[in-house]
Amino acid sequence: DGGITQSPKYLFRKEGQNVTLSCEQNLNHDAMYWYRQDPGQGLRLIYYSQIVNDFQKGDIAEGYSVSREKKESFPLTVTSAQKNPTAFYLCASSIGSQFADTQYFGPGTRLTVL
Amino acid sequence: RKEVEQDPGPFNVPEGATVAFNCTYSNSASQSFFWYRQDCRKEPKLLMSVYSSGNEDGRFTAQLNRASQYISLLIRDSKLSDSATYLCVVKGAGGYQKVTFGTGTKLQVIP
Repeated sequence: DGGITQSPKYLFRKEGQNVTLSCEQNLNHDAMYWYRQDPGQGLRLIYYSQIVNDFQKGDIAEGYSVSREKKESFPLTVTSAQKNPTAFYLCASSIGSQFADTQYFGPGTRLTVL
Repeated sequence: RKEVEQDPGPFNVPEGATVAFNCTYSNSASQSFFWYRQDCRKEPKLLMSVYSSGNEDGRFTAQLNRASQYISLLIRDSKLSDSATYLCVVKGAGGYQKVTFGTGTKLQVIP
């Protein structure tokens, strides 16, 4: 059964701690993305990766870091430098990054900073 | 002007009604367009792509108006299960094919 998995579903973090969100896909997609969603706002792109061992900053990359060591995995680390980390984080993937390629989303991780 | 704009709603409609949403975009070079559906506290799911000639999938019809730079989504015979937020997604031109999401239009279908 192909798809995108994210874990954990809910995550609580104390201020000053780094935390890593997992994203795995078995769709054999080349491109992967991280977005955050805040109430009343559209999804905003944090980082994206078009191929293994390569990734680029999105619109709001400050305070985040990623790696893409394997095609199927694209973990996101929320560092203590991110000032407002509480949000709904969504991982997505697509076959490629051409304009017709559809993005498919994982179920998301809700991060709350206490 | 925002890159992609949607009326946040909510649109409260009775079962069986027809409802339409519009989404305007600012970049005339935008290449492709999609409608996603997002249920409360869930991930967005692709509803349909929007083609230049317009396209229909059951009760749903999507249209693109390049001259006026908007896309639309029409839902006929609304069901309770259609209640959700509908996100407009626009992909621009360029090496990355930048994707911009609208903030969504909330639909509530009432019994």
